[in-house]
Amino acid sequence: KQEVTQIPAALSVPEGENLVLNCSFTDSAIYNLQWFRQDPGKGLTSLLLIQSSQREQTSGRLNASLDKSSGRSTLYIAASQPGDSATYLCAVVGGGANNLFFGTGTRLTVIP
Amino acid sequence: DAGITQSPRHKVTETGTPVTLRCHQTENHRYMYWYRQDPGHGLRLIHYSYGVKDTDKGEVSDGYSVSRSKTEDFLLTLESATSSQTSVYFCAISDAGGQARGTQYFGPGTRLLVL
Repeated sequence: KQEVTQIPAALSVPEGENLVLNCSFTDSAIYNLQWFRQDPGKGLTSLLLIQSSQREQTSGRLNASLDKSSGRSTLYIAASQPGDSATYLCAVVGGGANNLFFGTGTRLTVIP
Repeated sequence: DAGITQSPRHKVTETGTPVTLRCHQTENHRYMYWYRQDPGHGLRLIHYSYGVKDTDKGEVSDGYSVSRSKTEDFLLTLESATSSQTSVYFCAISDAGGQARGTQYFGPGTRLLVL
């Protein structure tokens, strides 16, 4: 069974800092990887989707990379803002099934 | 935001009672999913649908059933609620599935408390 791990579970940074969130997965046979944002008490918002054939995706201040062979993905956030405070989740599609395997997330706090 | 609504948004029920949660979409997407989110476990797939009347089990399907009689509606039923089913339930939709799965869009969630 695919296992997805996100470390650290929580992270606090001062405003303006660049930061990297990490995601690792145990089975490299994935179809794609997706990063989500979840605000307290709310649903998930898709940030970036990386297909298995891609190495990275960018959207504004966000850049996600994928290294299938090592089972790792990173989400880079440039010039962090207090509004970036949320829990960030990564999820992979794989296992030959219609299943999205989620990590437990990294709770990010950006301090003004 | 994708047009996904969930009802009810909050529910308190007693052990042994049946509960039905509704997911409604206005995007005409083919694929719909039900997840539960619990501390320490992340989100886990309960059931999914790949078309009207076409459904399949996910990772944690025991104690749950689903139905999809229309493209826009996907119902999740707890036949006899147990305290272990206290959770936050999320519906998601996607316009792609299988190996080419596209972006999933999530609803706002339903908080269920089983006493």
